[in-house]
Amino acid sequence: QKEVEQNSGPLSVPEGAIASLNCTYSDRGSQSFFWYRQYSGKSPELIMFIYSNGDKEDGRFTAQLNKASQYVSLLIRDSQPSDSATYLCAVKGGRKLVFGQGTRLTINP
Amino acid sequence: DAGVIQSPRHEVTEMGQEVTLRCKPISGHDYLFWYRQTMMRGLELLIYFNNNVPIDDSGMPEDRFSAKMPNASFSTLKIQPSEPRDSAVYFCASSLMLAAGELFFGEGSRLTVL
Repeated sequence: QKEVEQNSGPLSVPEGAIASLNCTYSDRGSQSFFWYRQYSGKSPELIMFIYSNGDKEDGRFTAQLNKASQYVSLLIRDSQPSDSATYLCAVKGGRKLVFGQGTRLTINP
Repeated sequence: DAGVIQSPRHEVTEMGQEVTLRCKPISGHDYLFWYRQTMMRGLELLIYFNNNVPIDDSGMPEDRFSAKMPNASFSTLKIQPSEPRDSAVYFCASSLMLAAGELFFGEGSRLTVL
């Protein structure tokens, strides 16, 4: 079992709709959870982090964490074509930050 | 700040040749990471340094790979000899605090081994 699993997609969402990206992790002792966005041909950049169970909102982005289910999600409201990218879930247990394979998201105008 | 600087941006070489990738981290960042990204395996951590000292190199695939950090502003990742399966994008990233989990990535070095 991979340490961090994501549906690779592609996930296609119409402009203005909510995009929902999911991630599961295997290490129950993981403490910190991150979402990175990577545009095609570019490097990953951090967009959200969450440490506690529940929801964390930042503008159009909401990160959700459920440690009991070992599940992290990212919701993007009012999706824009500029949100089209690959979204990488990253989980930190001990000293390492482990990335999932990423979900490719396409927002259709 | 200029961000993390990597060179070269693109490298095409033949199997068996030595490849050296270079990285300059953000000034003041104590942690430096080397990642490799491929379609098949995603983003994999190869090695990371803290204050120029290698802390975890368990991700280095084999002895053909080596990394050094002679000072706080420079690191190299060397592959000798290179093989076609080493073709990937190699990212260098730096971080102020390991606990924070926020990595600042360079633009990457795209390596193609023929």
